[in-house]
Amino acid sequence: DVKVTQSSRYLVKRTGEKVFLECVQDMDHENMFWYRQDPGLGLRLIYFSYDVKMKEKGDIPEGYSVSREKKERFSLILESASTNQTSMYLCASTAGDQAKNIQYFGAGTRLSVL
Amino acid sequence: GDSVTQMEGPVTLSEEAFLTINCTYTATGYPSLFWYVQYPGEGLQLLLKATKADDKGSNKGFEATYRKETTSFHLEKGSVQVSDSAVYFCALSAPTNDYKLSFGAGTTVTVRA
Repeated sequence: DVKVTQSSRYLVKRTGEKVFLECVQDMDHENMFWYRQDPGLGLRLIYFSYDVKMKEKGDIPEGYSVSREKKERFSLILESASTNQTSMYLCASTAGDQAKNIQYFGAGTRLSVL
Repeated sequence: GDSVTQMEGPVTLSEEAFLTINCTYTATGYPSLFWYVQYPGEGLQLLLKATKADDKGSNKGFEATYRKETTSFHLEKGSVQVSDSAVYFCALSAPTNDYKLSFGAGTTVTVRA
């Protein structure tokens, strides 16, 4: 069964802290994504990655960075957390073949920045 | 750019009622269209999809038909259950950029017993 695991369900951090959100998939998928989900705005793409050590900016990359050192792991980094980064963060992955449009999601990390 | 507009919620229904959630899109070319569902406390999961005009996607009693002439992909279910309470997202994948999905804002559906 397909599985995307996000390391934390809930996080509370202080303004200015460096925050790491981790995501691991066990499907050997090439493509991985980070979104944030906010009420009334749906999902917005922050960053994505087609392969190890490869990354592309999404629609709202400001204030974020990512790391993909291994195929199964994709990390989202908030270099200096701010209150406007309080949100639900969702990780997803897809295969690199005809099924590449079907994204598999983790359960999400709800981040509060105080 | 590519975008999806879906009806605003929240939607509250009684069990066995008919559900429809409207979704329209703007895209270059012929996108693939999707409905994802997010149950409480969970991530999103694919509900159904359609990849070309007049295709009908269906799953778990839900249906949606890809209408190119009206650029729509409305979600319908004839008789909802309490277990259908969730947030529903319409999404598209453009042929020129088919690794990425553009999502609508989501519609929260609550079904009462």
